Amino acid sequence: KAGVTQTPRYLIKTRGQQVTLSCSPISGHRSVSWYQQTPGQGLQFLFEYFSETQRNKGNFPGRFSGRQFSNSRSEMNVSTLELGDSALYLCASSLGGTAMDTQYFGPGTRLTVL
Amino acid sequence: AQKVTQAQTEISVVEKEDVTLDCVYETRDTTYYLFWYKQPPSGELVFLIRRNSFDEQNEISGRYSWNFQKSTSSFNFTITASQVVDSAVYFCALSVFNTNAGKSTFGDGTTLTVKP
Repeated sequence: KAGVTQTPRYLIKTRGQQVTLSCSPISGHRSVSWYQQTPGQGLQFLFEYFSETQRNKGNFPGRFSGRQFSNSRSEMNVSTLELGDSALYLCASSLGGTAMDTQYFGPGTRLTVL
Repeated sequence: AQKVTQAQTEISVVEKEDVTLDCVYETRDTTYYLFWYKQPPSGELVFLIRRNSFDEQNEISGRYSWNFQKSTSSFNFTITASQVVDSAVYFCALSVFNTNAGKSTFGDGTTLTVKP
């Protein structure tokens, strides 16, 4: 079974621009979660989608948004980029997104904001 | 609220040494799940193990072993005869029953460096 894939792997943007990151979950997985990882803040939860609906949202400003498509693929968008948005963005998929389900992570998208 | 503490920020060992990574968790719920993940320099978090709160059996997988003790709220991870390829950041995570993926709590991670 193919793992979680994320595109692009690396991205360089400038302040004020917007960016869209993509995540394809493991086949059959309906839950997709997004995390931001920075050296100072560790892994921080952004949001979780299940069957095209956002079920949970972390403590991030409205510039961060996402969506999930009917095939469970998910995208996250960051508008009006700030320098502090430079981070590794990780996507994780799980079968049902319940507490007992293991989350399987993708390789991440490393975003650099200049 | 849940909390996961990985008190060891960085550990450095020489190849073939045994090393234990500590994980202490806090939750008031009686049903929960604990996870360990490995993050090599490539960035991807690799799932290592899941344990539910009712299963206190220790687990061994090759050079890896896990010691789950509810009495001390700990879920420690030991690597026997460490190798350079074990160098990575290791995360412990906690999920509470009847919540979903977004409610997982991750520790801050322990960076393990294995020197040849």
